[in-house]
Amino acid sequence: SQQGEEDPQALSIQEGENATMNCSYKTSINNLQWYRQNSGRGLVHLILIRSNEREKHSGRLRVTLDTSKKSSSLLITASRAADTASYFCATDQYEDMRFGAGTRLTVKP
Amino acid sequence: EAEVAQSPRYKITEKSQAVAFWCDPISGHATLYWYRQILGQGPELLVQFQDESVVDDSQLPKDRFSAERLKGVDSTLKIQPAELGDSAMYLCASSLAEGKNEAFFGQGTRLTVV
Repeated sequence: SQQGEEDPQALSIQEGENATMNCSYKTSINNLQWYRQNSGRGLVHLILIRSNEREKHSGRLRVTLDTSKKSSSLLITASRAADTASYFCATDQYEDMRFGAGTRLTVKP
Repeated sequence: EAEVAQSPRYKITEKSQAVAFWCDPISGHATLYWYRQILGQGPELLVQFQDESVVDDSQLPKDRFSAERLKGVDSTLKIQPAELGDSAMYLCASSLAEGKNEAFFGQGTRLTVV
């Protein structure tokens, strides 16, 4: 069974706009990770946020974590066409790593 | 830069045949994962190893799937017999420790069962 659920399922924006994706989960976690997957390729790690952290930045990425609401958000600022990909959150509920269904982001040039 | 190696990249097999996938994780990574990803969906965990031991195979269809990591390094995932519904991308990933660190993924094996 999958642990996280991303929302929305699909998102289409213009280049230069910001993109926000959300992840909700059901039980307590130690950390939450975000990954990107280009079509037909493996997943690439973007950022890891621990349960005692509320916000983390990496370049144009900003991740927040609200453990009381069991939710996380990924913000990509000043999006580029190269950001077009699927984005997944992963949680470690059982000391393993389980993914949601992902958000498909399309950035139009 | 160290990578997770998977082979083959693509595999076409007839239903009822046996098929095997191989994964070589990043050196020193104790944790190895096998995931199955159906087109348009997220990766589904099939099996997780810590060194040579299976720590989670609750979602592995054990009647037809098997996985091993004999020396705690590379790993093989086997399907016998393959069914049409097994067509998917099979992804291998490794990390330093269970769920506590980022995982590094291979490029995957695209399986088509005909």
